[in-house]
Amino acid sequence: GDSVTQMEGPVTLSEEAFLTINCTYTATGYPSLFWYVQYPGEGLQLLLKATKADDKGSNKGFEATYRKETTSFHLEKGSVQVSDSAVYFCALLGAGGFKTIFGAGTRLFVKA
Amino acid sequence: DVKVTQSSRYLVKRTGEKVFLECVQDMDHENMFWYRQDPGLGLRLIYFSYDVKMKEKGDIPEGYSVSREKKERFSLILESASTNQTSMYLCASSLSGLWGTEAFFGQGTRLTVV
Repeated sequence: GDSVTQMEGPVTLSEEAFLTINCTYTATGYPSLFWYVQYPGEGLQLLLKATKADDKGSNKGFEATYRKETTSFHLEKGSVQVSDSAVYFCALLGAGGFKTIFGAGTRLFVKA
Repeated sequence: DVKVTQSSRYLVKRTGEKVFLECVQDMDHENMFWYRQDPGLGLRLIYFSYDVKMKEKGDIPEGYSVSREKKERFSLILESASTNQTSMYLCASSLSGLWGTEAFFGQGTRLTVV
């Protein structure tokens, strides 16, 4: 079945450092790919998404590119802030499907 | 903005109690979901519903049931709560029929079974 694998955390960075969180997936067909973010004490919210190969999703300085050849959707940000400290989930929605499949989540700590 | 509201942020229940978790969404979404979130395991789907009175088992339905009598409301029921059901429960909703449709989440209910 469909699955998502993302790098384990926690990831600890200093403010203004470069961030990469790796995500790979297994799916039949052409899924849509997402990154969700969960701030402390809150539910998940969509950060960005991409619906076809080579699409780049971007939001709040974060970017991820849908790479079908490597089945990857890595999250990047050039300069993190303390306010980016959260848990990040990579996810996919299979073509024509109802159910979003989530990775295990990666906790990010950003130090001032 | 879409709003998904869960009835409680924190609950403490005793082993063997019947527990109801309520979720309401205000954007006429067809699909609704219940997940549980545990450290290191990510989000696991318990049940979902794609229409009123319709329900489908997710990956971990054992010990749970659901009810969807109205489109906007989706209830999760723990028939006889056990300590291994202590977890964070997240409700979500989404539209049908659109490519790449995102899920909208409530704030979560942290349930402790003692």
